[in-house]
Amino acid sequence: DARVTQTPRHKVTEMGQEVTMRCQPILGHNTVFWYRQTMMQGLELLAYFRNRAPLDDSGMPKDRFSAEMPDATLATLKIQPSEPRDSAVYFCASGLVSTRDGEQYFGPGTRLTVT
Amino acid sequence: SQQGEEDPQALSIQEGENATMNCSYKTSINNLQWYRQNSGRGLVHLILIRSNEREKHSGRLRVTLDTSKKSSSLLITASRAADTASYFCATGGGYNKLIFGAGTRLAVHP
Repeated sequence: DARVTQTPRHKVTEMGQEVTMRCQPILGHNTVFWYRQTMMQGLELLAYFRNRAPLDDSGMPKDRFSAEMPDATLATLKIQPSEPRDSAVYFCASGLVSTRDGEQYFGPGTRLTVT
Repeated sequence: SQQGEEDPQALSIQEGENATMNCSYKTSINNLQWYRQNSGRGLVHLILIRSNEREKHSGRLRVTLDTSKKSSSLLITASRAADTASYFCATGGGYNKLIFGAGTRLAVHP
């Protein structure tokens, strides 16, 4: 049963600390998405990759956030330094791109609390 | 920024009743998708309807799409307590990028 996995599932950290979230997309999927979900803003797209290349990271605060895909089995989202307003649930999703369609498969999320 | 706006924001019904959720969007789309999110979980894809389709069925789900009105509806028939979740519409553009709406919280009471 292929699934997107994310680690850690929960993270509590102090303001100013670095946070790294990891995602393992479904084997064979060539597109990876990072989302942030909060009560106030809903689900926001932060960045997405196709064949490991970043296509769009316009939704991400560039000064503190960075997203990478070191290889096809690992995507990372890093926040440095973290701030209380970064508290949210971060989801990774993967998909198989086509010219018109594309459902996304979501991981269970990382719940981040910055104090 | 959100492309889709769901209506209503919250819906409470009894088991066995039908639940209808609506979604409106602003720009042209390639497809529209519906996802479900159970509390504390990730989103799960339910159904996709392409821009040249008007209606689609999957089990107890029925989705309609009216591109002239830029709107879609999701109907869940004979609801069950297990259908309690938040439901999101998402509009698809290029490179499979999706923009999600704010969601409808559905509560189905036994």
